[in-house]
Amino acid sequence: AQTVTQSQPEMSVQEAETVTLSCTYDTSESDYYLFWYKQPPSRQMILVIRQEAYKQQNATENRFSVNFQKAAKSFSLKISDSQLGDAAMYFCAYRRTGNQFYFGTGTSLTVIP
Amino acid sequence: KAGVTQTPRYLIKTRGQQVTLSCSPISGHRSVSWYQQTPGQGLQFLFEYFSETQRNKGNFPGRFSGRQFSNSRSEMNVSTLELGDSALYLCASSPVPGPETQYFGPGTRLLVL
Repeated sequence: AQTVTQSQPEMSVQEAETVTLSCTYDTSESDYYLFWYKQPPSRQMILVIRQEAYKQQNATENRFSVNFQKAAKSFSLKISDSQLGDAAMYFCAYRRTGNQFYFGTGTSLTVIP
Repeated sequence: KAGVTQTPRYLIKTRGQQVTLSCSPISGHRSVSWYQQTPGQGLQFLFEYFSETQRNKGNFPGRFSGRQFSNSRSEMNVSTLELGDSALYLCASSPVPGPETQYFGPGTRLLVL
């Protein structure tokens, strides 16, 4: 079975600094998709960024970028110029076509003013 | 477009009762997934529906069931509630099953006393 591991239950970052959240996953598949979702205290889960495994280029969305290492099965999220609104629980997720999503247990990010 | 809506938002039940939760996907989305979120376990996949058919099912007992209607709205039912069923239940929709990004609703907070 696929598993997604987030080894950092909590992280903190100074406002305007950069932080990296870690995620590793286990799969025997070669074609799959990886996601980072953000869940602010209001509880509405929203997509931050998505990566297709067949693409070698790392995905970026404004201040958010990923470091996708397929061989190492690693998918970390880098948040640059951290803002107070970035404070949230961040979930890493994996999905293979036609299959269910698998989520990690989350990393709680605190942004310090 | 309106987002994913879930009703009710909060619910208090006692052990042994049953509960039905409702989810209306984003207009045009035909795939609906349900998740149970607890502090210790993170997001656990319950089931996924597409075109009124259950496509995937997570590792939950038979007390947890669901269905999808022809308008893509979905309900999940939990019978014979246990204290451990207290959780946030999240619904997510996507246009079709697959690696599409899922859009989450605000969740239903269930408390079992």
